[in-house]
Amino acid sequence: DGGITQSPKYLFRKEGQNVTLSCEQNLNHDAMYWYRQDPGQGLRLIYYSQIVNDFQKGDIAEGYSVSREKKESFPLTVTSAQKNPTAFYLCASSMSTGGETQYFGPGTRLLVL
Amino acid sequence: GIQVEQSPPDLILQEGANSTLRCNFSDSVNNLQWFHQNPWGQLINLFYIPSGTKQNGRLSATTVATERYSLLYISSSQTTDSGVYFCAVGYSGTYKYIFGTGTRLKVLA
Repeated sequence: DGGITQSPKYLFRKEGQNVTLSCEQNLNHDAMYWYRQDPGQGLRLIYYSQIVNDFQKGDIAEGYSVSREKKESFPLTVTSAQKNPTAFYLCASSMSTGGETQYFGPGTRLLVL
Repeated sequence: GIQVEQSPPDLILQEGANSTLRCNFSDSVNNLQWFHQNPWGQLINLFYIPSGTKQNGRLSATTVATERYSLLYISSSQTTDSGVYFCAVGYSGTYKYIFGTGTRLKVLA
């Protein structure tokens, strides 16, 4: 089946630890995105990527890093510099850039111990 | 930056009732999507509707871009319609969709 997968479903982080969230898509989409959702809020853009080996900061990129070495994969690292990482993280992809329909993965819930 | 406001923030319906959700945005946009977030957090595309009217089963949407609003209609609501409905807007040629804060819908059996 075509779609977007995210893993793990739940992730626990200790203080001072970096963690990496996985996002994979087999839709042959060019663009991929990472969003953060806090309880009762909408989504905010962290990073996005138009093509392989290229990515741009979104509205809340501080404390996060990404890579795009393959078209299918767009992992997000939550670094120790992100002081309030507890949130729901959603990955999305779209056929092309700037305005095409975005499709979302099931999300990863990150909790700080 | 562009502001996206959704109303009402919360809505409780009896099964079988109809409802209208509204999305107002503060600037002209080229892209607009409606999503349903189910209780498990999954966002499901409902409509990509920068202008005009679309229908899909019991759901329909209308965007009047010149007046900067979009409406989502839910007819004959079912308990499975419960969740949060988000409107997201963006400009052509950019990657930044701006999400509203959502309408939280609960449909009672």
